[in-house]
Amino acid sequence: KQEVTQIPAALSVPEGENLVLNCSFTDSAIYNLQWFRQDPGKGLTSLLLIQSSQREQTSGRLNASLDKSSGRSTLYIAASQPGDSATYLCAVSLDSGGGADGLTFGKGTHLIIQP
Amino acid sequence: NAGVMQNPRHLVRRRGQEARLRCSPMKGHSHVYWYRQLPEEGLKFMVYLQKENIIDESGMPKERFSAEFPKEGPSILRIQQVVRGDSAAYFCASSPAGYSYNEQFFGPGTRLTVL
Repeated sequence: KQEVTQIPAALSVPEGENLVLNCSFTDSAIYNLQWFRQDPGKGLTSLLLIQSSQREQTSGRLNASLDKSSGRSTLYIAASQPGDSATYLCAVSLDSGGGADGLTFGKGTHLIIQP
Repeated sequence: NAGVMQNPRHLVRRRGQEARLRCSPMKGHSHVYWYRQLPEEGLKFMVYLQKENIIDESGMPKERFSAEFPKEGPSILRIQQVVRGDSAAYFCASSPAGYSYNEQFFGPGTRLTVL
């Protein structure tokens, strides 16, 4: 059974710092990995998707890496801003051959950027 | 292109009543997924549907819960005889057909409160 763990569970840093969020998964047979952000009481916003054959993806100040063999991904946020405050979720899709499985989520990292 | 729509956004039911949650996928998307987020828990996959077919319901409780995605109209998640433990946020996601790397786009969720 796939398990996804995110470390740290919570993080509070001053504005402007670069930071790294970690995600690990137990079954390396993944189809892809997605990073989301969730604001309080709201839905999920997709940030980055990394296909199993890729090593990293970038979008603006965000960079996500994937080491499939070791079961790890990191989300790097550069020059953090108060608007980045949210819960960040990592999710993996298993490769069952159909390419369209449900996602297994970590419990998230609750990030606070202090102005 | 409107995003994934869910309604109602908030639903209050008394124990024993039925709850019906609706999800309209993004235009052009034919895959729908339902997830549940219990208080202080991560998101858990419930069911994956395509038009008129349930593909994977491995995360769905065996009793009282059912889902459908008819040829016309939204996907419906139905919870019969609700209990307090059903109180949660229910999220719907959709993705395009085919081998699209299964990027899932989430709706804003329906927050169910059972009194």
